[in-house]
Amino acid sequence: DAKTTQPTSMDCAEGRAANLPCNHSTISGNEYVYWYRQIHSQGPQYIIHGLKNNETNEMASLIITEDRKSSTLILPHATLRDTAVYYCIVRATTDSWGKLQFGAGTQVVVTP
Amino acid sequence: NAGVTQTPKFQVLKTGQSMTLQCAQDMNHNSMYWYRQDPGMGLRLIYYSASEGTTDKGEVPNGYNVSRLNKREFSLRLESAAPSQTSVYFCASRLSVSGELFFGEGSRLTVL
Repeated sequence: DAKTTQPTSMDCAEGRAANLPCNHSTISGNEYVYWYRQIHSQGPQYIIHGLKNNETNEMASLIITEDRKSSTLILPHATLRDTAVYYCIVRATTDSWGKLQFGAGTQVVVTP
Repeated sequence: NAGVTQTPKFQVLKTGQSMTLQCAQDMNHNSMYWYRQDPGMGLRLIYYSASEGTTDKGEVPNGYNVSRLNKREFSLRLESAAPSQTSVYFCASRLSVSGELFFGEGSRLTVL
């Protein structure tokens, strides 16, 4: 599996957009970029995933660079409830998700 | 629709005791997973079951056993608990054709 690199932590002001970067320079052609988040003391929650086109859903937008070596998760209007650890993962949809490492993720703190 | 349900939510054991963590999903998912989460370590896969009747080791299987009782249920057993197994345990499930993992709320285990 391709490895990902994320900043350890970042702060964001409530109501502003939060832009979370992820580097995945060894990503393969059949691997998708997935984002999950984990709010304190809860189970991880799926956010969004994409292959090469930008994606948007009710939670966030995912921007993937043309060379696919990096991506950015955008929370358009961060709220205090968005404070969480955000995980960037690259996987092929045909994988069984066995032997998956979530890594340490990015701790996002949204402040009033 | 409960999603993924884990029991118990909290447990304290003495070294050498045994216990079973239960997990059930009501989404008709084929694949189920057990992860552990330690501070600063992200999530690490213990065992997974790609489909009913099959189980495979993940990254950290030592000291654990699993049973895929039926399509809905996937249990994790600690035969002789050790302090190193103090952790938060998460069960997850996934549709065989989708990359989205659904997680339970976690089981917090302390081994004294």
